[in-house]
Amino acid sequence: EPEVTQTPSHQVTQMGQEVILRCVPISNHLYFYWYRQILGQKVEFLVSFYNNEISEKSEIFDDQFSVERPDGSNFTLKIRSTKLEDSAMYFCASSDPGVYTEAFFGQGTRLTVV
Amino acid sequence: DAKTTQPPSMDCAEGRAANLPCNHSTISGNEYVYWYRQIHSQGPQYIIHGLKNNETNEMASLIITEDRKSSTLILPHATLRDTAVYYCIVRKGTSYGKLTFGQGTILTVHP
Repeated sequence: EPEVTQTPSHQVTQMGQEVILRCVPISNHLYFYWYRQILGQKVEFLVSFYNNEISEKSEIFDDQFSVERPDGSNFTLKIRSTKLEDSAMYFCASSDPGVYTEAFFGQGTRLTVV
Repeated sequence: DAKTTQPPSMDCAEGRAANLPCNHSTISGNEYVYWYRQIHSQGPQYIIHGLKNNETNEMASLIITEDRKSSTLILPHATLRDTAVYYCIVRKGTSYGKLTFGQGTILTVHP
């Protein structure tokens, strides 16, 4: 069964450093998303991406965040200068081009900022 | 997106049906009801979705009331592996619409 793959599973970084979280969406999907979940809190939407541009973003997705689809298979989330409060699970998701279709999530990257 | 209300927690005996309710009284005509679950801190897992008709797949059944103001997710024979947080989400009718997660229902399946 096709799945969304995220790497790394766990990343530890120092405050102020740049991190790139990587995702390989399901191959025929065209819509891509990033969500995050701070420990003990709700899953929060960050950004959706379609046709090489951002479709929608939340208030959390400020100038420190960026997304990119550098090639035909990867989808990345970059945090330019990490803060302690960026520590969270980050989930990538993708969905296919049909209407009312479900999004499939990866297993997440646990980001720890120290 | 319409808001949803779910009980914070529920228990179920292994082998019995788990019926998880969700209230979405402000749902609009083009919004679908989606159910996801999250086991531990894993990525949310899609379960089922529907508009107004009842739906069934290999994982669960979804019963939506005629007025569409509430729904029930049914796991027909719950197992210990079904212990998870279950999210009822109402989503705008676009293929790229974001999912807005609430607190969900923590379902605990007991032996």
